[in-house]
Amino acid sequence: GAGVSQSPRYKVAKRGQDVALRCDPISGHVSLFWYQQALGQGPEFLTYFQNEAQLDKSGLPSDRFFAERPEGSVSTLKIQRTQQEDSAVYLCASSLPPADTQYFGPGTRLTVL
Amino acid sequence: DQQVKQNSPSLSVQEGRISILNCDYTNSMFDYFLWYKKYPAEGPTFLISISSIKDKNEDGRFTVFLNKSAKHLSLHIVPSQPGDSAVYFCAAKLRGATNKLIFGTGTLLAVQP
Repeated sequence: GAGVSQSPRYKVAKRGQDVALRCDPISGHVSLFWYQQALGQGPEFLTYFQNEAQLDKSGLPSDRFFAERPEGSVSTLKIQRTQQEDSAVYLCASSLPPADTQYFGPGTRLTVL
Repeated sequence: DQQVKQNSPSLSVQEGRISILNCDYTNSMFDYFLWYKKYPAEGPTFLISISSIKDKNEDGRFTVFLNKSAKHLSLHIVPSQPGDSAVYFCAAKLRGATNKLIFGTGTLLAVQP
């Protein structure tokens, strides 16, 4: 079946702009995760949803970052007033409990100028 | 504090030989470990995993070994193929947590023809 998809694949924003990144998980996957990957680093956890409930947002770096999954399927990660340090690849992953394996999308590369 | 460490940034191996990628962790509460492979401009692809109650898991050319007393795991690829050239990430999940993964910084594997 189809894997995790993300859009856009690339986004260039001017500092101060708001951006919205979309994730379509694997159909039927209950759990959805967002990660941030800086250059040369491993992915770092941002937030986690189980269906529409956001159960963990401990990794969000500031209150400029906001994520939602209103119908328990598609999720959007929004970054307000982008800063240069927000430049990174944003990865979305989904899984189907009780399995622990997460399947990742291709990511969105965000560049803030 | 880096809880999952991949101390070798890169590894070069001849085609047909064994590749051994290493990963160390510090938290004894990790109960599940995964290896992901990542090509440029793509998301991480799940490769193989192991539960903390096991010490070995094998899938074709890939074998993961877990040494809990040493807090060390390794990925063996035999025989190595040029298509295996990629960045390999080790990841771990905390018992009882929200299933978020904690990643190492990755090892770039180059398989020479």
